Amino acid sequence: ETGVTQTPRHLVMGMTNKKSLKCEQHLGHNAMYWYKQSAKKPLELMFVYSLEERVENNSVPSRFSPECPNSSHLFLHLHTLQPEDSALYLCASSQDKTGRSNTGELFFGEGSRLTVL
Amino acid sequence: LAKTTQPISMDSYEGQEVNITCSHNNIATNDYITWYQQFPSQGPRFIIQGYKTKVTNEVASLFIPADRKSSTLSLPRVSLSDTAVYYCLVGDTGFQKLVFGTGTRLLVSP
Repeated sequence: ETGVTQTPRHLVMGMTNKKSLKCEQHLGHNAMYWYKQSAKKPLELMFVYSLEERVENNSVPSRFSPECPNSSHLFLHLHTLQPEDSALYLCASSQDKTGRSNTGELFFGEGSRLTVL
Repeated sequence: LAKTTQPISMDSYEGQEVNITCSHNNIATNDYITWYQQFPSQGPRFIIQGYKTKVTNEVASLFIPADRKSSTLSLPRVSLSDTAVYYCLVGDTGFQKLVFGTGTRLLVSP
C-alpha cells in the first residue's frame, strides 16, 4: 500500500469511447503526476500538477485531458484514443518542498492498464 | 538536463550482494539521487535517496563519490523477490526534469 490509489486497475475501450482514470492520494502531498509506460519503454512523464495548478504538459496529445479538482485527486480523461495509446498509466504524488522544485521522491500507484481496441 | 546511464541488465544469485552503478555526469548542485524498484505491472517503489557520501536504510545502501558524477546502489544478500527493474533518478529543479531512464533489469536466480 503506497498511499496512492488508482482506479480502474484494468480498462478496455474502443477508439470512440470516453473514459476516465482516477487517482487519489492519502499522503497529504501537494503535487501529482501522470506517467505512461508502454511495453519495454521508459516511463514517460505526461502531466504534473502542483498545488492543483498544471505545471507541466509534456507534449501530450489533446485526446488525453487531465483534471485536478483538489490536491488529493487527479483524473485523466480519455477520448478518441488510438491503439498505440494502450499502456500502463501510472499516477504518482510527491511533496513539493520549495514551490516548483522536487528532489525526486515520488510515490506511485499500482497503475491502470489500458487497452484500446 | 541531468541524464542518467545504467547497465541494461544484470544477473545474480540468491544471497549475493548486487551493486548497480548509475552515471550522471551532468548532475547539478541542487540535484538529489533517488533509486526506484519496479515489478512488472506495478508502479515504481522508492528505495533510497541521497545527496553525497553514503546512505543506508533497511533495504539498501547508496554510495555517492565526492564528485557526485555517479552513484552505486548496493543490495545486500539478494533474494528471488529482488528480481525487478531498478531506476536511477536525478532530481532537478522543475518537474520536467524528473526523467526515468531505461533502468537496470536485475534477474536473481536460485
